[in-house]
Amino acid sequence: GAVVSQHPSRVICKSGTSVKIECRSLDFQATTMFWYRQFPKKSLMLMATSNEGSKATYEQGVEKDKFLINHASLTLSTLTVTSAHPEDSSFYICSARAGGKDTQYFGPGTRLTVL
Amino acid sequence: AQSVTQLDSHVSVSEGTPVLLRCNYSSSYSPSLFWYVQHPNKGLQLLLKYTSAATLVKGINGFEAEFKKSETSFHLTKPSAHMSDAAEYFCVVTPTQGAQKLVFGQGTRLTINP
Repeated sequence: GAVVSQHPSRVICKSGTSVKIECRSLDFQATTMFWYRQFPKKSLMLMATSNEGSKATYEQGVEKDKFLINHASLTLSTLTVTSAHPEDSSFYICSARAGGKDTQYFGPGTRLTVL
Repeated sequence: AQSVTQLDSHVSVSEGTPVLLRCNYSSSYSPSLFWYVQHPNKGLQLLLKYTSAATLVKGINGFEAEFKKSETSFHLTKPSAHMSDAAEYFCVVTPTQGAQKLVFGQGTRLTINP
C-alpha cells in the first residue's frame, strides 16, 4: 500500500514552454500533497504544500505564478512549470499524506530538462 | 523549530560489515523521526519511522534505528551491509502534533565496497 506515482518520469522541453507534472496517490486518499525540488547531490527543498480543494501554500522564495499547483481531488495534484527556463531544470518529487497521518509517501520523481 | 543534522556526508563500508549512519535532531515538540532511502534517480522510500512508541524501531531491509532522547539522536544501523544498500539516506523530523512539513537532513551517501 501507500503508492505514489508521478508522470512523466522524464521530460525535455524548450525554453519558454510550460510543463505539467502529475502526482497521484494510487491506493489512499491524500488530503495533503507536497512538491519538492532536488538539486544534484543535494537534499530535498520543499516548494509548496497543497491541501485538497484549497490553494497551495508556497515556501519563501518560490514563485507561485511560475510553479502552479492544483490539488483538485484526493488522489491527484499537478505542478505546472510555466515559461520554463534552463535554470528550472531539476528533479521534482511529490509526496502525499493521508489525513491525520504523519508519514509522507514519495513519488519516483520527474527529471525536467529545459533546453 | 526543528532541525536535523546528519553527521557524515559520506560513509563507505565493506560488504558484510556493519553500517552506522548518524543523525541528531532538534525539536521544540515531541518529534516524529524518519529515515528515507533514495537510490539514484529515484524517489524516496520509507525505511522506518519513530512516533513515540518503542525507542528501537525496526525497518525494511534489515535496518533499524534507536531513538535516544537524552542524546537527541536517531542513528540508523544495519548489522551486515549488502551491495544493494548503496544509496543516499535522509534523516527527517517533524513535530508529532499537527505538523505537515518534513525537515530533511543533508543526506548521507552510503558506498559499499566489495
